[in-house]
Amino acid sequence: QKEVEQNSGPLSVPEGAIASLNCTYSDRGSQSFFWYRQYSGKSPELIMFIYSNGDKEDGRFTAQLNKASQYVSLLIRDSQPSDSATYLCAVKASGGSYIPTFGRGTSLIVHP
Amino acid sequence: EPEVTQTPSHQVTQMGQEVILRCVPISNHLYFYWYRQILGQKVEFLVSFYNNEISEKSEIFDDQFSVERPDGSNFTLKIRSTKLEDSAMYFCASERTGGNQPQHFGDGTRLSIL
Repeated sequence: QKEVEQNSGPLSVPEGAIASLNCTYSDRGSQSFFWYRQYSGKSPELIMFIYSNGDKEDGRFTAQLNKASQYVSLLIRDSQPSDSATYLCAVKASGGSYIPTFGRGTSLIVHP
Repeated sequence: EPEVTQTPSHQVTQMGQEVILRCVPISNHLYFYWYRQILGQKVEFLVSFYNNEISEKSEIFDDQFSVERPDGSNFTLKIRSTKLEDSAMYFCASERTGGNQPQHFGDGTRLSIL
């Protein structure tokens, strides 16, 4: 059973701070990693994806991947109240199945 | 930017009735998916579809469910004999080429079974 674990939160940060969201996965053969943002009652919206160890930056967002430790994280710099949402981590394994496994998500609250 | 579109946005149905949820994937995408999210729970995979046939399905996707691509653009999920526990958000997603590609989600259909 492939597991993707996230702390459900809520993670509360002040406006302007860095929010750090973490995700661990059980399948060592996982190859691709995705972060989605989901506002309440809305659909998941793709923010970033990462395939290789290290950091990948896109605007205020940075995804970090460490395959040896089986974790992936998302950093949000200069957090804004509009970033308040649930952040879903999704992981795809290699070979065969293209179906991502989703974590339960971490609720982020950015307070003014 | 191209989007996955889903209709209706909200469907209210009596228990035991059949519902059809509709999706128009992004036009150059080849892989299509249906997911379910019960309120407060995680996104759950139902079924994937490629080359006009089901490529994978979860244990949730039993005989009550079926999918179809009736024409070149629409992708439908049919739920027969609906039950109260089928109440959930249903998301359609599409993917350009499979493999490591990210999936793009539609806005979802909120299904309420009375």
